[in-house]
Amino acid sequence: NAGVTQTPKFQVLKTGQSMTLQCAQDMNHNSMYWYRQDPGMGLRLIYYSASEGTTDKGEVPNGYNVSRLNKREFSLRLESAAPSQTSVYFCASRTTSGRADTQYFGPGTRLTVL
Amino acid sequence: DQQVKQNSPSLSVQEGRISILNCDYTNSMFDYFLWYKKYPAEGPTFLISISSIKDKNEDGRFTVFLNKSAKHLSLHIVPSQPGDSAVYFCAASPADNDMRFGAGTRLTVKP
Repeated sequence: NAGVTQTPKFQVLKTGQSMTLQCAQDMNHNSMYWYRQDPGMGLRLIYYSASEGTTDKGEVPNGYNVSRLNKREFSLRLESAAPSQTSVYFCASRTTSGRADTQYFGPGTRLTVL
Repeated sequence: DQQVKQNSPSLSVQEGRISILNCDYTNSMFDYFLWYKKYPAEGPTFLISISSIKDKNEDGRFTVFLNKSAKHLSLHIVPSQPGDSAVYFCAASPADNDMRFGAGTRLTVKP
């Protein structure tokens, strides 16, 4: 049982390049989330998927797209990377959309955009 | 505009003593509060939560206190252990699938 896995762990991009961050969970969770963490800012929600087939914007969605490929996988795409997108990206999942249910986080992807 | 604030970036305590981490929020719509703990190179892990209908929740060495009138919550760790050294994030939720995090407090517990 690996929990939430993310690939890659590290990535360096040049401005304007595109890339997709991958996330998978093996806990049969319905909801999945993408966050970014910046120094002094805490984690901020980019997009989430409450269930397979649905996606919704979070607090900071601009510059990103997501795909809920199936129940296990939720990917985050940067179409044209900008230096402001340099951050650590965390994927998380949760069993239902109940308020008391805990989010389980992956280990993160550290992205640098030059 | 940060709605959840952790004003102490770092805290250092002696092993065996109490650690008190503080968190303030501005949005009166927040009704569910959580603390997460994060070790380097790992994702945050859930520690403890509290609903706004309560003012205290306890789980072993960890207790969260909520003061709604002051829009303030705190996490108490007693006794503190070196393994508690980590970054602690306070989070608050006004609605399902919406969680706002503070910037974190780095706790160091010295042996």
